This record gives sequence, C-alpha cells and structure tokens, in this order.
Amino acid sequence: DAMVIQNPRYQVTQFGKPVTLSCSQTLNHNVMYWYQQKSSQAPKLLFHYYDKDFNNEADTPDNFQSRRPNTSFCFLDIRSPGLGDAAMYLCATSRGLAGGRNEQFFGPGTRLTVL
Amino acid sequence: KNEVEQSPQNLTAQEGEFITINCSYSVGISALHWLQQHPGGGIVSLFMLSSGKKKHGRLIATINIQEKHSSLHITASHPRDSAVYICAARDVQGAQKLVFGQGTRLTINP
Repeated sequence: DAMVIQNPRYQVTQFGKPVTLSCSQTLNHNVMYWYQQKSSQAPKLLFHYYDKDFNNEADTPDNFQSRRPNTSFCFLDIRSPGLGDAAMYLCATSRGLAGGRNEQFFGPGTRLTVL
Repeated sequence: KNEVEQSPQNLTAQEGEFITINCSYSVGISALHWLQQHPGGGIVSLFMLSSGKKKHGRLIATINIQEKHSSLHITASHPRDSAVYICAARDVQGAQKLVFGQGTRLTINP
C-alpha cells in the first residue's frame, strides 16, 4: 500500500527545459516536503508546505518552485534545469511539525537526469 | 564538524552477524530518526525516537539524551539489510528541519 507516491521514478530533461515532478500521498498529512539529494550526499531540504503555507529554505535557488493544489498533491517545478540540478528528488510527508506528529514518511524518489 | 556524526561510514559483515551503527549529535534535538536507503532508491523511515528504546522485528534503536548518542542494531543480519542507514536529528530550533548524518553504508555478505 503505497503511502507517498512519486511520479515519474526517472525523469530525463534537457538543459533549460522546464520539468515538473509530482508527489501524492494517501496519508492525509498536513505537511509535505521536497528534498534534493545529490550523489553520496545527505538529502537537502528545499521547501515544505504546512497545509497551504509555503516555507522556502533560505538557500533554495529561485529556479525551484512548488505548488500544492490540494492536501494530496504537491509538485516541484524546475524552471530552467542546469546540469547541477541532476539529483534524486525526494518527497516526504508528516502529520505536523512538532512532537510525535513530525515523523516523516518518504516517497521512493524521482531521479532527474539533465542532458 | 558535522552536527550529526555517524560511525562507521562503511561496514561489511557476514550474514547472521549482529550489527551496530552509532550516531552522535551536538544539536539540541526534539527527536531522532533512523532512515534506510537502498541503492538508487527512496528513503524508508525505520524509527523516530526521543527517549529510550524501540524495536521492530530484527531492528532495535536506542537513544541516550544525556550523552547525545543513538545506536541502531540489527540482529541476525541478512543480505537484504544491505543499504545506507542514515541518522537524522530534528533540531529544536527549526522544528521542521532534519539535520542528516553522512550515512553508514552496510553490506551483508551471504
């Protein structure tokens, strides 16, 4: 029973061509996160939504945007992908932000290749 | 120095061995996560704990808040346990932010 679903699992795009990655969840969690993980590195938080409230990390490039049209779905838009944006993109959810509600559940990730 | 340090970075063992992976942190935390990532795969949350000990199947996680140290143990290890195990601390200052360790690459040989 998949709980956090990411599509596609593998995405190839061209340098500068906009790309959208998708995440959906069946957990009805309030919080959805997007992480970027480059090879052999720890995941890096890009931003998160608490319900409709968007929270951007200070060092997330403007090239990365996100949309959350409803509770279940969250999208990561990369407006002009560069070669340095090739990475695994991980979506995660949690019920809340504090205490026991903040356990994060991760999706399988989308591996982005930029040609 | 990383705020979350794991040891060892790489661990190779034979099937059936008892495995211990250690995590030390320097930040004040509200919770600590143990995560598992298979090669090229997504991340699975194994445990979230803020005190004491948790057990799930062959996996056991402990945390000592005073010593700022946590351990992940695997009993009767199996080749399918081969993965990267990541310790991540939830910083009390930024409730939504996980501070990740560098990961421990575990290989269990049959």
